Amino acid sequence: GAGVSQSPSNKVTEKGKDVELRCDPISGHTALYWYRQSLGQGLEFLIYFQGNSAPDKSGLPSDRFSAERTGGSVSTLTIQRTQQEDSAVYLCASSLGHSNTEAFFGQGTRLTVV
Amino acid sequence: DQQVKQNSPSLSVQEGRISILNCDYTNSMFDYFLWYKKYPAEGPTFLISISSIKDKNEDGRFTVFLNKSAKHLSLHIVPSQPGDSAVYFCAGLDAGNNRKLIWGLGTSLAVNP
Repeated sequence: GAGVSQSPSNKVTEKGKDVELRCDPISGHTALYWYRQSLGQGLEFLIYFQGNSAPDKSGLPSDRFSAERTGGSVSTLTIQRTQQEDSAVYLCASSLGHSNTEAFFGQGTRLTVV
Repeated sequence: DQQVKQNSPSLSVQEGRISILNCDYTNSMFDYFLWYKKYPAEGPTFLISISSIKDKNEDGRFTVFLNKSAKHLSLHIVPSQPGDSAVYFCAGLDAGNNRKLIWGLGTSLAVNP
């Protein structure tokens, strides 16, 4: 596709279950970001992948959160043992990374933990 | 430590008037700045950018000004339209950290008819 694709668009899960959120970046984009936005809050940085560099995981809020980027393309954000405070919109963005270009965002996954 | 600060969480402006959204930063390694607009239930979309070697960039109704010595930038929207009502995010590209994008918390703009 032409843009960043995220799936699912909505996810309702029970507290304590694990969830996986998927991001398909724009082809050729070496940089990939995960953010989350809780109701009424700004963009909270989670993790940043840039080419073959070690990912910047400094924004992950706890060890229940992890992310992978396979083959430098698709990324999966995994939340284990979900808690109600994990409810938010999870946004993925990608960019060319090496030059002054903008990042393109997906539409996000709205996660609701009940 | 917030490297990009948008100190006004919200702003209300009359249609036709100028909207000025401000952004301050602390990281001198930012070499590029971007503004994004976000509507509810949508991902942020790119609006306008500016290189750190410039002090102004204009695109239609949108102009971004950069005062590098003050580490301050602003987005001007002239004239403001009701459709401009959205949350505006300022971001800096960190040349010293693998070109990572660092974001402000956003300013919610309401343009009243």
